[in-house]
Amino acid sequence: EPEVTQTPSHQVTQMGQEVILRCVPISNHLYFYWYRQILGQKVEFLVSFYNNEISEKSEIFDDQFSVERPDGSNFTLKIRSTKLEDSAMYFCASRSFGTVGEQYFGPGTRLTVT
Amino acid sequence: AQTVTQSQPEMSVQEAETVTLSCTYDTSENNYYLFWYKQPPSRQMILVIRQEAYKQQNATENRFSVNFQKAAKSFSLKISDSQLGDTAMYFCAFMKLLPGFTSGTYKYIFGTGTRLKVLA
Repeated sequence: EPEVTQTPSHQVTQMGQEVILRCVPISNHLYFYWYRQILGQKVEFLVSFYNNEISEKSEIFDDQFSVERPDGSNFTLKIRSTKLEDSAMYFCASRSFGTVGEQYFGPGTRLTVT
Repeated sequence: AQTVTQSQPEMSVQEAETVTLSCTYDTSENNYYLFWYKQPPSRQMILVIRQEAYKQQNATENRFSVNFQKAAKSFSLKISDSQLGDTAMYFCAFMKLLPGFTSGTYKYIFGTGTRLKVLA
């Protein structure tokens, strides 16, 4: 069964460094999402991406964040200058064109900013 | 803005028993979907069940069923014959349904989750 994959599973970085979190959505999916879950808190929407552009972003998704689909298979989230408060689990999700609703989630990348 | 509330941070149930997880939401929308996702210790979220708001009939998936009360904005999940593998975090999620099939984000708004432990 097709799955959403994410790499790395755990990333440790120093404050101020840039990180790129990678996701490979399910191959025929066209809508892509990033969500964030700070430890012990709820999962929060960051950004959605369709047709090579951001379709919606939350207030969390400030200028430090960017997303890209560089090669038609990967979907990346870049944090330009990490802060301590960026430490969280980051989930990628994707959805196919023909269905309304169900998103398929990856296993997540745990980002630790020290 | 929509909000989703799960008032039970933790619950436990004996194996083979039935448990109900509660979820309430607040919206002024009329067309939306509701979901329950399971996040086991491996942390990949898996869809358990979904409900379209326009459907009056409660969704069921094997041992999982929902009690959807649209007027009360309530969407509880019932797990029958609980199994050890049901131990997980359960998230309730709301998705607004926008006009136009291809347009819109269809983002999820999640509740804070309920940690369910099934006891042997």
